[in-house]
Amino acid sequence: GAGVSQSPSNKVTEKGKDVELRCDPISGHTALYWYRQSLGQGLEFLIYFQGNSAPDKSGLPSDRFSAERTGGSVSTLTIQRTQQEDSAVYLCASSPRTSGRWGETQYFGPGTRLLVL
Amino acid sequence: EDQVTQSPEALRLQEGESSSLNCSYTVSGLRGLFWYRQDPGKGPEFLFTLYSAGEEKEKERLKATLTKKESFLHITAPKPEDSATYLCASSNTGNQFYFGTGTSLTVIP
Repeated sequence: GAGVSQSPSNKVTEKGKDVELRCDPISGHTALYWYRQSLGQGLEFLIYFQGNSAPDKSGLPSDRFSAERTGGSVSTLTIQRTQQEDSAVYLCASSPRTSGRWGETQYFGPGTRLLVL
Repeated sequence: EDQVTQSPEALRLQEGESSSLNCSYTVSGLRGLFWYRQDPGKGPEFLFTLYSAGEEKEKERLKATLTKKESFLHITAPKPEDSATYLCASSNTGNQFYFGTGTSLTVIP
């Protein structure tokens, strides 16, 4: 079946502009995660959605970052008033949470490469 | 603070030269230890999940093992197509994931 898809694959924007990044998880996966990967850095957790529960936003670096998940499926990560330090690869992952045990395998999309000039 | 540390940062092997990658973790209430492979310009690709000390899993030339403080990814007789960055991650009972910075593996023909 189809894997996790993300769009756009690349985004170049000017400092101060807003950007929206989209993630389509694997069909039937109830959990969705956003991460940021900067050059030479590990994956940095941003936000987690599980079903209809309130999202875990503990990883969002500032109030310029927000995310929503509509209908328990597609998610959009929005960065307002982008800064140069926001340049990174933004990765989305989904997992089935079928067993109810935390630690379900995450399946990653190809990422969106964001460059803020 | 929970964290995951991988070593070495980079590893160059001759084709056929077996070796191991290390992932040390300090996690309160480990729920799972994950290994991923990441090729340049792509998202991480799932390899293994380990849940308890003593557990081992194998896939082709790769074998992952887990102790109470470390996980190893053993690569037996690697081939050039095994070249990639290998990421280790942990999850805890607080629903938090921690990724290491990875080991960049290059296998030379």
